[in-house]
Amino acid sequence: NAGVMQNPRHLVRRRGQEARLRCSPMKGHSHVYWYRQLPEEGLKFMVYLQKENIIDESGMPKERFSAEFPKEGPSILRIQQVVRGDSAAYFCASSPVEQPKTQYFGPGTRLLVL
Amino acid sequence: QQQVKQSPQSLIVQKGGISIINCAYENTAFDYFPWYQQFPGKGPALLIAIRPDVSEKKEGRFTISFNKSAKQFSLHIMDSQPGDSATYFCAASDDRGSTLGRLYFGRGTQLTVWP
Repeated sequence: NAGVMQNPRHLVRRRGQEARLRCSPMKGHSHVYWYRQLPEEGLKFMVYLQKENIIDESGMPKERFSAEFPKEGPSILRIQQVVRGDSAAYFCASSPVEQPKTQYFGPGTRLLVL
Repeated sequence: QQQVKQSPQSLIVQKGGISIINCAYENTAFDYFPWYQQFPGKGPALLIAIRPDVSEKKEGRFTISFNKSAKQFSLHIMDSQPGDSATYFCAASDDRGSTLGRLYFGRGTQLTVWP
């Protein structure tokens, strides 16, 4: 019974490059959430998706960030033209349909922008 | 603006002692309050959660106490063990349809349990 999977676990990018973070939810879960964690801070909500639908993206920066959860395959968080301030741990969580608040987190992707 | 305020920032407890972490909130629409445990380099793990219709919930050595009128809730870890050393986050979620899936997290408490 695999948990939430994220890859890569570590990602290094130079300023201006693109970062693609992937998340596969737990089996049977169709809700996916992305959170960002800066050092010494709690997690900040970014976006909530269901298959082929963005439910709430009010936590996403208006520019350079996008997320999708296609019918087939993992959810992807995409950051275009990364800047040093994007360096953080990005966590994905998933929940079952009937309990959207019961969220299980993956191990995270640590993004470092040089 | 921090929706959920957590204290203390760090906590040191002797093995066998009680660890207490507190959280406070203002939004009366919050209706779900989970606690997460995070070890270095790992993702947060759901520990225990409570809804405002009960004042206390216990699971093993972990207890949530909830005070609806004071808008505060706390995590108690009884008989604390060195293996409990981790960062603990409280969180809250409201019942509005537009933000149904969003968890608001506190800043975390770094717990160290000395053997």
